[in-house]
Amino acid sequence: DQQVKQNSPSLSVQEGRISILNCDYTNSMFDYFLWYKKYPAEGPTFLISISSIKDKNEDGRFTVFLNKSAKHLSLHIVPSQPGDSAVYFCAASAGTSGTYKYIFGTGTRLKVLA
Amino acid sequence: SAVISQKPSRDICQRGTSLTIQCQVDSQVTMMFWYRQQPGQSLTLIATANQGSEATYESGFVIDKFPISRPNLTFSTLTVSNMSPEDSSIYLCSVCPSHSEAFFGQGTRLTVV
Repeated sequence: DQQVKQNSPSLSVQEGRISILNCDYTNSMFDYFLWYKKYPAEGPTFLISISSIKDKNEDGRFTVFLNKSAKHLSLHIVPSQPGDSAVYFCAASAGTSGTYKYIFGTGTRLKVLA
Repeated sequence: SAVISQKPSRDICQRGTSLTIQCQVDSQVTMMFWYRQQPGQSLTLIATANQGSEATYESGFVIDKFPISRPNLTFSTLTVSNMSPEDSSIYLCSVCPSHSEAFFGQGTRLTVV
């Protein structure tokens, strides 16, 4: 049972345009969501997070939107740069358990074309 | 933020042997997590390691196969025991200084032959 899903395995975007990466979840107890970027042969790099009490969080070129009623979140990257080419994972956690453990989606490979 | 040093970065091991992966954090953290990323798949949580208590394992993972030590608040090890080719994966340790952020080591790429 995949509680966190990223239905698009890959995405290609032109440099300077917006990249939109999507993530869906099934567990209504999730209250924190994180996005990660992963390059080959490296560990995931934390990008941005959002708690369930918010519907938007912005950090520079990265914005995460949360739609709780739809159990959907998205990561927007504007403008996209070739260095953004990587695999992006969303992750979710149910904080009430107190363990901070995260469930990861399957990832979306973003390719930004110069 | 937290800086995590994980080693070895990669290894090639014979089936039936064991490998211990080390994870060192530059600050004290209560919880450390061990993940596995099999080829082409997402990160799967193996276990949560708290200092001073036994690790808590996720469904499908057992202590005999993946024993974990957590001797202090900055260090943990994961052992992959009696390895088979199916254990070939990337293994990652992670810490969560707060609920809104989590950091990973660079990973250990294990190949079992």
